[in-house]
Parts: sequence; structure tokens; C-alpha cells
Amino acid sequence: AQKVTQAQTEISVVEKEDVTLDCVYETRDTTYYLFWYKQPPSGELVFLIRRNSFDEQNEISGRYSWNFQKSTSSFNFTITASQVVDSAVYFCALSVTGSRLTFGEGTQLTVNP
Amino acid sequence: DTEVTQTPKHLVMGMTNKKSLKCEQHMGHRAMYWYKQKAKKPPELMFVYSYEKLSINESVPSRFSPECPNSSLLNLHLHALQPEDSALYLCASSHTPGGLAYEQYFGPGTRLTVT
Repeated sequence: AQKVTQAQTEISVVEKEDVTLDCVYETRDTTYYLFWYKQPPSGELVFLIRRNSFDEQNEISGRYSWNFQKSTSSFNFTITASQVVDSAVYFCALSVTGSRLTFGEGTQLTVNP
Repeated sequence: DTEVTQTPKHLVMGMTNKKSLKCEQHMGHRAMYWYKQKAKKPPELMFVYSYEKLSINESVPSRFSPECPNSSLLNLHLHALQPEDSALYLCASSHTPGGLAYEQYFGPGTRLTVT
């Protein structure tokens, strides 16, 4: 069985602070995929990144960066110089079968001006 | 174009009504999904269609009936719902997994209230 744990239920920061959202996963499969999604108050889940288990390279996209560490089964997400528009619920997800996504419980990020 | 559209945005229905939710994508994806999301919870998978055929039904009650008329459209027919079915219903699409796991693109959802 797969499991994703996002231990931080809520995080509140002030604009321009850096913030890291933690994601720890569990799976016995050697091939798996990890994802991050953003869900703003409007409700739509926005895809941010997909990573497969064989690619441990960290990734940076603008103010967003991701740190994938198989040794600790973690796939953490950092927002640099946060902005009010980053306020949303962020979900980490895991897939081994292709169709099913196992989501974490989500982290509510609030960025205050 | 990575857009998935859903109609209606909001729906209020009584327990004896019949209504349908609609979803459309034009990304050439051959896998489409229905999810149910309650407040402050992650989405829960309901159904998966692959090449217009139902491939996964997560033991969803029969008062929810999915339909995939063609590769771009996905419907969810609702009948005799219960108040606990009130939730955000999300549609998503992706390339067909076939052993890999592709990112799913989600629509904005239909916020359903059952009275």
C-alpha cells in the first residue's frame, strides 16, 4: 500500500519569506511517480511537478524548487520569496499504477502581506 | 492548451432530482477521471475511463453513473443523492498511463449541494 504524509497542516508566513512544504512517502514499489499540486481557493488543482523514482535531480522553476531524496523518502517543495498569490492548499501525491494518485492530506499555506 | 472545463460551476439539487455534470478536454488525452472532494480533504478517486471504457470504479454508489460519450467528454449522472454527497466534484484528464504515471490536469470543479 502507498502512503503520503504531509505533516504540516497549516503554515503561515509573511510575504517574501521562504517556505518549505514537507512530503514523506511510503511505497514498496521501485518504480513510482511523485507529484505536487496547488489548489487555490477557486478549487482547481494545478499541476506543478512530476518526478519519477529514477530521477533524483532537484528541480528549480522560478521561485519554486523541489528536493527529492530517496534515502529519506521525501519530496519537499520550497517557495522562495513567497507572495500572497502563493496562498493555497498544496498536495503531494504518489502513483505506482498510473491511474491512481495517493494524495497527502494537504498543507494550507497562507502568505500574509 | 491544458484546459479542462466543467459545467455547471455550482449545482443545488434535491434528493429526488436527476442532474448531470459535464467535463470536456481538448488535449488529446485518452484517460479521464472523476474525483469527489470534501472540505479540507484531498480528492478521492471515483471513476477512471481509459479509451472511453470504464477501467476503475472505486465502489461508488449506483446513484452516481458515469458516461464517456467520446474521447473529449465525460459526464456524471446524478440521481437520488444524499446530503452527504454534497462536495466539490473534479474532473481530470491525462495521457493513458500504460505503465507510466502522467500528470493529471484538473478542471475547476462543480460545487454540488444536495438539499
